[in-house]
Amino acid sequence: KQEVTQIPAALSVPEGENLVLNCSFTDSAIYNLQWFRQDPGKGLTSLLLIQSSQREQTSGRLNASLDKSSGRSTLYIAASQPGDSATYLCAVRPRGSQGNLIFGKGTKLSVKP
Amino acid sequence: GAGVSQTPSNKVTEKGKYVELRCDPISGHTALYWYRQSLGQGPEFLIYFQGTGAADDSGLPNDRFFAVRPEGSVSTLKIQRTERGDSAVYLCASSGWVDRGNRNTEAFFGQGTRLTVV
Repeated sequence: KQEVTQIPAALSVPEGENLVLNCSFTDSAIYNLQWFRQDPGKGLTSLLLIQSSQREQTSGRLNASLDKSSGRSTLYIAASQPGDSATYLCAVRPRGSQGNLIFGKGTKLSVKP
Repeated sequence: GAGVSQTPSNKVTEKGKYVELRCDPISGHTALYWYRQSLGQGPEFLIYFQGTGAADDSGLPNDRFFAVRPEGSVSTLKIQRTERGDSAVYLCASSGWVDRGNRNTEAFFGQGTRLTVV
C-alpha cells in the first residue's frame, strides 16, 4: 500500500532564507508526483507536477526534484517571503490504481518578516 | 468554467440529515475525484470518476456515502444520515484522462465545501 510522508510537519524560517521541504513515498511505481499549496480554509493550488520519467521541475522560485528509485521528492523554495506561508502537500499518482492521488499530511510553513 | 467550482462553500447540518455537495469540474476534464480532509491531515481519497462511471469507489467510508456524475460533467456527493464524524472539508478535483500514455494528468482542486454536522 502506497504511503506518503512529509517531514517536517512544521517549519518556521526568517524571510529571505532558502528552504527545502521533503516528501517520501513507499512504492516507486508512480505515474507522477504533484506538489500543492494550501492556504488556511482554502482548497489546494497546484504548484508543480513531475512525471515519473523526469528528475525536476522549476517554476519561479520553486524547484521540485524527484528520485523515484529512492522514493523521495524535495521542494526547494528560494528567497522565502511571508506570502509563502502556507501548508505544502505532496501527492503521488500510483501506477496500477485507477488514477487517484495519495497525499502526505503536509508541511506547515511559516515565513517570518 | 475557468476552475473547479464547489457549492456550497459551507454547510451546517443536523445529525441524521441528508446533504448533497456539488462539484463543477474544469470543462473538458474527464476525470473527477472527491477527497475528504480533516483538520491537520492530508486529503483522503473517496471516489474517482472517469466520464460517467465510478472507476474507483474504494475510499467511500460506508454505504451512507454515494456519488454520481450522470452526464460526465457535474458530480454530486451525497451523504445520508449524517454523523458528527462526517464533519470535514470535502474537496473535488478534476484532470484530463488518466492512462499510461497520457501525461496531461495534473489535478486541479476546488475550494472545498466545509461540512459541519451538529
